[in-house]
Amino acid sequence: AQSVTQLDSQVPVFEEAPVELRCNYSSSVSVYLFWYVQYPNQGLQLLLKYLSGSTLVKGINGFEAEFNKSQTSFHLRKPSVHISDTAEYFCAVSVPYSSASKIIFGSGTRLSIRP
Amino acid sequence: EAQVTQNPRYLITVTGKKLTVTCSQNMNHEYMSWYRQDPGLGLRQIYYSMNVEVTDKGDVPEGYKVSRKEKRNFPLILESPSPNQTSLYFCATRDMMENTGELFFGEGSRLTVL
Repeated sequence: AQSVTQLDSQVPVFEEAPVELRCNYSSSVSVYLFWYVQYPNQGLQLLLKYLSGSTLVKGINGFEAEFNKSQTSFHLRKPSVHISDTAEYFCAVSVPYSSASKIIFGSGTRLSIRP
Repeated sequence: EAQVTQNPRYLITVTGKKLTVTCSQNMNHEYMSWYRQDPGLGLRQIYYSMNVEVTDKGDVPEGYKVSRKEKRNFPLILESPSPNQTSLYFCATRDMMENTGELFFGEGSRLTVL
């Protein structure tokens, strides 16, 4: 079975500072990895995904994530955050070619940006 | 525009009063799913459907029912709501042919059961 751990429930950061949101996963098989973002009063939308190939994945709004197989991590980073990045961020995994089609979500990290 | 539409967006009800949250999608996706989001617990899957007339339990199905009579609609039914079903609910779809597991979400329905 797969599981996802987001190590920080809340991350406060000053505007224009860098940020890293941590995600670790557990799986006995290869997985696809995702970061979703939820802005206030909205549904989740895909930020970026890792399927295969280059371990550094770039997403929307200047975010990127690095897949590290040996550390089973998929941390999300942005070099300089903006007030508009205030949101909750969810890491998720799915199993390729799985007929059950299940995505497992982490518990979320709330990013708050201070001016 | 590709959309997943949920209604109502906000609802306050009382214990035991049956309610239905509707979900409709225009992307012709086979797969549809319901999640509930609670603080500190992330998203937990309630039910999912891989095609018309095919539904299956997720991780937290107790107290909920679903139906899939048409491809575009996947209503969530609470026959006798209880306060522990107070939550934020999301409907999501995915393209089974695309096979990465990427989900497309509705904007959410916030339910309060008194």
